[in-house]
Amino acid sequence: EVQLVESGGGLVQPGGSLRLSCAATGFTFSNYWMNWVRQAPGKGLEWVTNIKQDGSEKYYVDSVKGRFTISRDNAKNSLYLQMNSLRVEDTAVYYCARGVEYWGQGTLVTVSS
Amino acid sequence: QTVVTQEPSLTVSPGGTVTLTCASSTGAVTSGYYPNWFQQKPGQAPRALIYSTSNKHSWTPARFSGSLLGGKAALTLSGVQPEDEAEYYCLLFFDGAQVWVFGGGTKLTVL
Repeated sequence: EVQLVESGGGLVQPGGSLRLSCAATGFTFSNYWMNWVRQAPGKGLEWVTNIKQDGSEKYYVDSVKGRFTISRDNAKNSLYLQMNSLRVEDTAVYYCARGVEYWGQGTLVTVSS
Repeated sequence: QTVVTQEPSLTVSPGGTVTLTCASSTGAVTSGYYPNWFQQKPGQAPRALIYSTSNKHSWTPARFSGSLLGGKAALTLSGVQPEDEAEYYCLLFFDGAQVWVFGGGTKLTVL
């Protein structure tokens, strides 16, 4: 059974940093592109970033370029999102997704003073 | 900046049929945008329904179908059930299918 479990969310002040993790089980992690998608409270879905199987290609939505970094560790079956210079508008539930098919339950990031 | 547009809300009667659409600010939506559709209920993660315009995932109920309609991607629900009340999101792929853009979502009410 495919499972994706996000962790690392929490409350952080504007300008701060946070690192999200996504633990993957039930499939060969190294075979798939992986994505982060977020959803601000009461709002729609917004794709944030993705990473190729071997980490050689990464893409970002314009609003996070230069602040967020996606990475993966195929040996640990884990996906990461390093978020720096956080803004109030980054407040959202962050989902880890394998392609379009499988999604985790999300982790809440709140940026507030 | 590319904008993907959906109807903000639709209402359908139980047993009825409804079509949700998905338009792109870049022009007509074609199969090359690999349209996807998701269902999301309150407090839950999105659930994938349709990929590459019209293909169903193994868990997708038969009453859901995807197509292209008048330059837009479309999701049709036939024989709507009360449990279909949810938010529906379309997703289009850009830049060689590695950049995703979601629509704003359609809130479907079954009444």
